[in-house]
Amino acid sequence: YVLTQSPSVSLAPGQTARFTCGGDNIGSKSVHWYQQRPGQAPVLVISYDTDRPSGIPERFSGSNSGNTATLTISRVEAGDEADFFCQVWDSDYHGPIFGGGTKLTVL
Amino acid sequence: EVQLVQSGPEVKEPGESLSISCKASGDIFDKYWIVWVRQMPGKGLEWMGRIEPQDSYINYNPSFRGHVTLSVDKSTATAFLQWKNLKASDSAMYYCTTLHSSCLYLWGQGTLVTVSS
Repeated sequence: YVLTQSPSVSLAPGQTARFTCGGDNIGSKSVHWYQQRPGQAPVLVISYDTDRPSGIPERFSGSNSGNTATLTISRVEAGDEADFFCQVWDSDYHGPIFGGGTKLTVL
Repeated sequence: EVQLVQSGPEVKEPGESLSISCKASGDIFDKYWIVWVRQMPGKGLEWMGRIEPQDSYINYNPSFRGHVTLSVDKSTATAFLQWKNLKASDSAMYYCTTLHSSCLYLWGQGTLVTVSS
């Protein structure tokens, strides 16, 4: 199973960032999103398509339907600059599958 | 505070063996599988394998099976990732993380492994 993410997104502060994660009928799977700031470990920011873990700002939201899952960050800030990875569970593989990641640059 | 604390950076030569560790606090070992993830320089995340700490049941990513070994020490709540014959291509950052159903909730800080002659 392959997850496809765009390589990069560049936005000015205050704009809305949308990251897509494409996969065959991904809407039938649970999608999780991770933020990895430079030099740091990944952090879970959205689980099970739409759930925000404790401590994640309300500016972060997720959706999942059809062949595309989306992570949205409203009012982007400089501190949001990071790589964002989507992930699903492959039951045939018995393990997590990751997208290639999207780099967010805040101009 | 519930956390995963990994061992420090390692510099090794090709052919050497290595074990890196991931110490869990709280009740992590009682509740969650531990997953190991590789991140090569400038690249994405790759699942290596997962281990159930209570009975040491293991699933390996086929791409890593036979090259690495996962284990745990329940007495110290520590998980281990081991190599017997390192290669230069093993140079990467390695993360341990907890598996909560299908998502990876809590991550260690990472261990950087450099393999060079």
